[in-house]
Amino acid sequence: SSDLTQDPVVSVALGQTVRITCQGDSLRKYYASWYQQRPGQAPVLVMFGYNNRPSGIPDRFSGSTSGNTASLTITGAQAEDEGDYYCNSRDSTGRQLVVFGGGTKLTVL
Amino acid sequence: QITLKESGPALVKPTETLTLTCTFSGFSLSTTGVGVGWIRQPPGKALEWLTLIYWDDEKRYSPSLQSRLTVTADTSKNQVVLTMTNMASVDTATYYCAHRRPMPRGVNDAFDIWGQGTMVTVSS
Repeated sequence: SSDLTQDPVVSVALGQTVRITCQGDSLRKYYASWYQQRPGQAPVLVMFGYNNRPSGIPDRFSGSTSGNTASLTITGAQAEDEGDYYCNSRDSTGRQLVVFGGGTKLTVL
Repeated sequence: QITLKESGPALVKPTETLTLTCTFSGFSLSTTGVGVGWIRQPPGKALEWLTLIYWDDEKRYSPSLQSRLTVTADTSKNQVVLTMTNMASVDTATYYCAHRRPMPRGVNDAFDIWGQGTMVTVSS
């Protein structure tokens, strides 16, 4: 089992807003990073730190944290946003190890 | 421009040792805050972190795999090498190396550039 828990499947209607969540005790201390992975491709970093988007990531992607839950919000989801989304952060043991969530498959309807 | 590329055998036999090389360009592993991580993904499954080597040669390993993993860096060749002993069919996966975005060690790790991945199959 992972230190970070994600909903396995989420769907959103085209143009609507969707929130993908990641839960874990370590998120009370560390930010999450978020990755998008399309079929057959390597993951792409879409969010890190406090709501920071890497260059080239559309501003419809935003990030937030509340308590032990980190969220990636897509405002106005597009067809190309469909894919798997993974969060990563540190483990909850205090050993500062890396952990990934189990992933969320996002379907844009 | 930062790039990373994984190389190694596509097929290994059970009980053998896997050696993968990550060859990178566009950054120095000696730069403070930088790191290179290895992450794998079995077919149809989630990402799994394996190991991370930092700019000062500090290394971290997944607790569940620590006894089987070794990561080393050759900064003169811009390479990071991963070895995994006693391979089994459950280790069949795509193995990625990735650049850790420069930041202090005490904060979260964000992998901003990934290699294309290399598929490794464990079978006799």
